[in-house]
Amino acid sequence: ETGVTQTPRHLVMGMTNKKSLKCEQHLGHNAMYWYKQSAKKPLELMFVYSLEERVENNSVPSRFSPECPNSSHLFLHLHTLQPEDSALYLCASSQDGGLANEKLFFGSGTQLSVL
Amino acid sequence: GNSVTQMEGPVTLSEEAFLTINCTYTATGYPSLFWYVQYPGEGLQLLLKATKADDKGSNKGFEATYRKETTSFHLEKGSVQVSDSAVYFCALSAEGSYIPTFGRGTSLIVHP
Repeated sequence: ETGVTQTPRHLVMGMTNKKSLKCEQHLGHNAMYWYKQSAKKPLELMFVYSLEERVENNSVPSRFSPECPNSSHLFLHLHTLQPEDSALYLCASSQDGGLANEKLFFGSGTQLSVL
Repeated sequence: GNSVTQMEGPVTLSEEAFLTINCTYTATGYPSLFWYVQYPGEGLQLLLKATKADDKGSNKGFEATYRKETTSFHLEKGSVQVSDSAVYFCALSAEGSYIPTFGRGTSLIVHP
């Protein structure tokens, strides 16, 4: 148990659906991250929030829309996805999001399949 | 830009064999270096880290030494167990860009 909880664990959606991924951290951290993990590719950073402000948006298509209502919760809203968006989506948190040697705490991920 | 290169997997070993997973990096300045491990069905968790040249990170029998002259941070373990089967990610966090850059991951499979 890392203190970072993601729901749902698995999600299957059609290209016209709208769905949301949820992440919650119970560690009192100030920074939260969305990563995309695809087979045989490096982990791709999507978004970073620090103190509820978005500080990084790594050229992610607009069909992915993040939301951080408070420092404990992070959402990823999905709409009109493509089959190539199928991947494991990982949420992470860190204490401050501003230190070079900070440790990230990851959730177990949401395995997304787009049909 | 910053980048991390790991050896291709999967690495397949018998129990009690010696493990090396190579990792080299490109970064400006003096990055911090990390190894994360991802067990099946779970997210990544930090295994060890080193924050300056010649530092050795160690945890659960795994070790890695920060080698600035060869820009490497190879992961080693003297005797692997079946329970070590997982995907291992090398990562760096560079000055001026604190967000970690990850490698592709190397899958380790240990047979009894």
